[in-house]
Amino acid sequence: NAGVTQTPKFRILKIGQSMTLQCAQDMNHNYMYWYRQDPGMGLKLIYYSVGAGITDKGEVPNGYNVSRSTTEDFPLRLELAAPSQTSVYFCASSQQILPGNTIYFGEGSWLTVV
Amino acid sequence: AQKITQTQPGMFVQEKEAVTLDCTYDTSDPSYGLFWYKQPSSGEMIFLIYQGSYDQQNATEGRYSLNFQKARKSANLVISASQLGDSAMYFCAMREGTTSGTYKYIFGTGTRLKVLA
Repeated sequence: NAGVTQTPKFRILKIGQSMTLQCAQDMNHNYMYWYRQDPGMGLKLIYYSVGAGITDKGEVPNGYNVSRSTTEDFPLRLELAAPSQTSVYFCASSQQILPGNTIYFGEGSWLTVV
Repeated sequence: AQKITQTQPGMFVQEKEAVTLDCTYDTSDPSYGLFWYKQPSSGEMIFLIYQGSYDQQNATEGRYSLNFQKARKSANLVISASQLGDSAMYFCAMREGTTSGTYKYIFGTGTRLKVLA
């Protein structure tokens, strides 16, 4: 039961470097999301996607880019990393057919920008 | 403006006692869903319970129940018979529609619960 898989789990980046956080789900969910969680805080929505080829901005999209070429994959790209992007990143997915469908999370990716 | 408000940054409860974690929400969408998640120290997010905006009865899942007061826009989580393993961060979340016909999940800032032996 893979569910939502995120890689890498931990990463240290230098200021100005770029990287991609990978996310894959095997539940055939149409919705996918990227959240960030700063220490001791709640989750803030970065970007989300309602299907392949369709993405939209969340609450805190600046400094990030996403793409959704397949139903399964939803990578998050950090271009010029900044210390403010030090956070835990969660990828999630859901199937929006029924109102009660919950959101399934990956295990998180811990990113430190130094 | 905050759409999901959790006013208790931290809570303590004695083992075997009940505890209520507060959550208020704000939305103009008549159709929405309310969720509670548990985040233990290991970091994963665990779904606990769901309440739909049109549900007439309060949701229950084992030791978890959701005290849904629609007029007050509150969706408090009640944990009965607390266990040491309940010590974790708890997040209230709301699923609401967007103007483009899609859906988003918005999270509160969380309440850290500590169960005392």
